[in-house]
Order: sequence, then structure tokens, then C-alpha cells
Amino acid sequence: GQQVMQIPQYQHVQEGEDFTTYCNSSTTLSNIQWYKQRPGGHPVFLIQLVKSGEVKKQKRLTFQFGEAKKNSSLHITATQTTDVGTYFCAGISGSARQLTFGSGTQLTVLP
Amino acid sequence: NAGVTQTPKFQVLKTGQSMTLQCAQDMNHNSMYWYRQDPGMGLRLIYYSASEGTTDKGEVPNGYNVSRLNKREFSLRLESAAPSQTSVYFCASKVGGEYNSPLHFGNGTRLTVT
Repeated sequence: GQQVMQIPQYQHVQEGEDFTTYCNSSTTLSNIQWYKQRPGGHPVFLIQLVKSGEVKKQKRLTFQFGEAKKNSSLHITATQTTDVGTYFCAGISGSARQLTFGSGTQLTVLP
Repeated sequence: NAGVTQTPKFQVLKTGQSMTLQCAQDMNHNSMYWYRQDPGMGLRLIYYSASEGTTDKGEVPNGYNVSRLNKREFSLRLESAAPSQTSVYFCASKVGGEYNSPLHFGNGTRLTVT
């Protein structure tokens, strides 16, 4: 079945450092969505990318969708303690009918 | 406007016991979902209901059943709980079957099966 791989699984950064998580699929994706889950909380939708090569920004967060629509990345500039949590990507390939989630990247920000 | 509400928040079961997890949404969404979350494995789809009156299996349906009671409510039943079903269960909903609408999640049910 469809698989969405996400790396790294864990990332520890000092506050103020940058952070990037990567999402890769073996098949072409129709779209990619990103979610954030705070510790003990539930996933919250951040953004969706649909077009090849698309780049979207939300304040310090930059989201990219690859030209081949098989990979995506989330980059956080100058991390803050409020960025702590697990970031998930989720996508749908042409043959699938529902979102497949990556395994997530757990971000720890050290003050 | 509560969004997606799940009950209970916590539950401890013994192997072989049954229980039903309840989920209700007040956003008039057509599609509803049940996911389980295990460490290092992300969110895996158990069952979903694309619209009222329909249900379909997801990636990991074995050991579970669902009921779409009405447009608002979607329940998940464990008939005979097993330790492998220890997990955090999330209910989610979205506007419709189109792929580009975001999922709205409930707060989760933390289930332990001993």
C-alpha cells in the first residue's frame, strides 16, 4: 500500500536554531497536509500543499512540495519553545482514497 | 461550538472485555474517521465513514467495528479487547469526501488493555 516516510523521528534543537523535517512517498501524491501535535494533545491542521513545487509560509514556518510531488518539507526558522511537539505529514496518492500519515518528527526545543 | 468530542478520555480494560468509544461532531461534517496512534507509528486509519450511512475499512480494521449512528456520531467498538489494542484513539471529521479538506481531531481516548 501507499507509504509515507518521515525523517528524522526525533530532533533536539537549542532555542533559536532552525529545524527541518522531511516527508517522502514512493508514489506521486495528490496533496500533502501538515499537522502539529503538542505533547498530550491532538493533531491540529497546519497547511495543505497541492501544486508541484509549491512553497507556503506561515510566519517562521516554510512548507515545500517537491516538483515531482513525491516529497515535502517543513522548515522552522529560529525555533521557540512554543514549537515543541510532533509534526506529521499526510498525503493521498492517486490510487488511495484516504490520507496516509507519516510517522512524525518529535521536536524538542531546549531553552 | 465544541468541534469533535470523544468519550471517555481514559479507559482501562481487561483482556476479553468489550467497550465502545463515542465520537460526536457539531460542525455538520459529512466524513468521520477513527485513528489509532502508537509510538513511532504515526496515525493509522482503522475505519472511516465518508458519509452518513456508509462505513469502510482503513489500514488496521481487525478487532474493531464501527457504527455511523447519524451525521453527528461515529462510534468504535472493541468486541474482545486485546493488549495489542492498547493505544491512543482519535476520532476526526472533515467537510466531505474531497481530498483537500483538513481533518479536525478530537482530544483522544487513552486505552490500556491489561
